[in-house]
Amino acid sequence: AQSVSQHNHHVILSEAASLELGCNYSYGGTVNLFWYVQYPGQHLQLLLKYFSGDPLVKGIKGFEAEFIKSKFSFNLRKPSVQWSDTAEYFCAAYPTDSWGKLQFGAGTQVVVTP
Amino acid sequence: DTAVSQTPKYLVTQMGNDKSIKCEQNLGHDTMYWYKQDSKKFLKIMFSYNNKELIINETVPNRFSPKSPDKAHLNLHINSLELGDSAVYFCASKVGEGTDTQYFGPGTRLTVL
Repeated sequence: AQSVSQHNHHVILSEAASLELGCNYSYGGTVNLFWYVQYPGQHLQLLLKYFSGDPLVKGIKGFEAEFIKSKFSFNLRKPSVQWSDTAEYFCAAYPTDSWGKLQFGAGTQVVVTP
Repeated sequence: DTAVSQTPKYLVTQMGNDKSIKCEQNLGHDTMYWYKQDSKKFLKIMFSYNNKELIINETVPNRFSPKSPDKAHLNLHINSLELGDSAVYFCASKVGEGTDTQYFGPGTRLTVL
């Protein structure tokens, strides 16, 4: 079955620390991959996406993600987090031949302490 | 300019009632979606329409019925509300079939008492 899994459910770190969130997907064919962020009480916002090409993609607010096809992974990174990065982070994917049936991971709650 | 908008933002109602949530997008997209986010923040797709045609219909109770009067609107009607329907419902849209990004609305927090 197609699925998206995120490795951590909760991450607590201090400002200026580096962040890496793991995401793995299981799909038979090619997929489109996304990271969305949900700040407290707000809607989902796109951080970055991968469709094809350079496997290292850069998004907003200093985030980047690397697509590793052999590992079916799309991990999110930020070298130095800020308190304002406290949010829920969702990895999501859909097969390229679908109507965009996005499948989400369970989410990772990131708390950045001052 | 709000790209994807939903009304109402909050909805509190009693069990057994019927309610509707409306969604509108001004992005010119052809495809719209409804997602449900439960209390554990898990997001799951419910429905999708493309140019007013139902293309994704996940396993949801038939008390939930989507309606798309035109490609810019996708409404969600829920009959005989139950406690378990309490959740945040998100609308989203994208261009059409194939590779593209989905843009999400602000969500509607439904609380069933």
